Amino acid sequence: AQKITQTQPGMFVQEKEAVTLDCTYDTSDQSYGLFWYKQPSSGEMIFLIYQGSYDEQNATEGRYSLNFQKARKSANLVISASQLGDSAMYFCAMRGPNTGNQFYFGTGTSLTVIP
Amino acid sequence: NAGVTQTPKFQVLKTGQSMTLQCAQDMNHNSMYWYRQDPGMGLRLIYYSASEGTTDKGEVPNGYNVSRLNKREFSLRLESAAPSQTSVYFCAIWGAGYGANVLTFGAGSRLTVL
Repeated sequence: AQKITQTQPGMFVQEKEAVTLDCTYDTSDQSYGLFWYKQPSSGEMIFLIYQGSYDEQNATEGRYSLNFQKARKSANLVISASQLGDSAMYFCAMRGPNTGNQFYFGTGTSLTVIP
Repeated sequence: NAGVTQTPKFQVLKTGQSMTLQCAQDMNHNSMYWYRQDPGMGLRLIYYSASEGTTDKGEVPNGYNVSRLNKREFSLRLESAAPSQTSVYFCAIWGAGYGANVLTFGAGSRLTVL
């Protein structure tokens, strides 16, 4: 069975500081993809960043980076220089062949950026 | 949420009533999904369709039916709504976007069952 675990229900960070949101996963697949989505209070789901299991380098997208540690099965999201607009729910997700190539999501982390 | 349109955005039903959530995409992707989102539980897959004419159950299919009418449209039907189906429903499509294959979501439909 595939499983995504986000152990931080809520996080606080000071504006302009960096923050790491944790995500661990469990899979027997060799090939899989890891994704992070942001859900602001308006409710839409926004894609942030993707990491393939065979990618040798950690993914980066602007202020977002993914700290991928394959042996530990973790895919933590790092947000640098936090902004007030980063306050939102963040979801980690995984997709792989043993799930029928379906996405499975974690329960999310609520991030609040403090001015 | 360009490319994925869900209707309605809000709906209030009484227990036992039926309704259909509509989803349409203009990105020509094969795979379409219905998720529900409940507080503290993340997103859970209800049904998905890998291509036109095919549908499969996800984690929480009970109480729902789906129709993949054509490549563009994927509808979710509640035949006899129950309070436990109060949730936010998201339609999503899988395919190329943002430089990689990703799941692109509609804006969501908030359903309340009284």
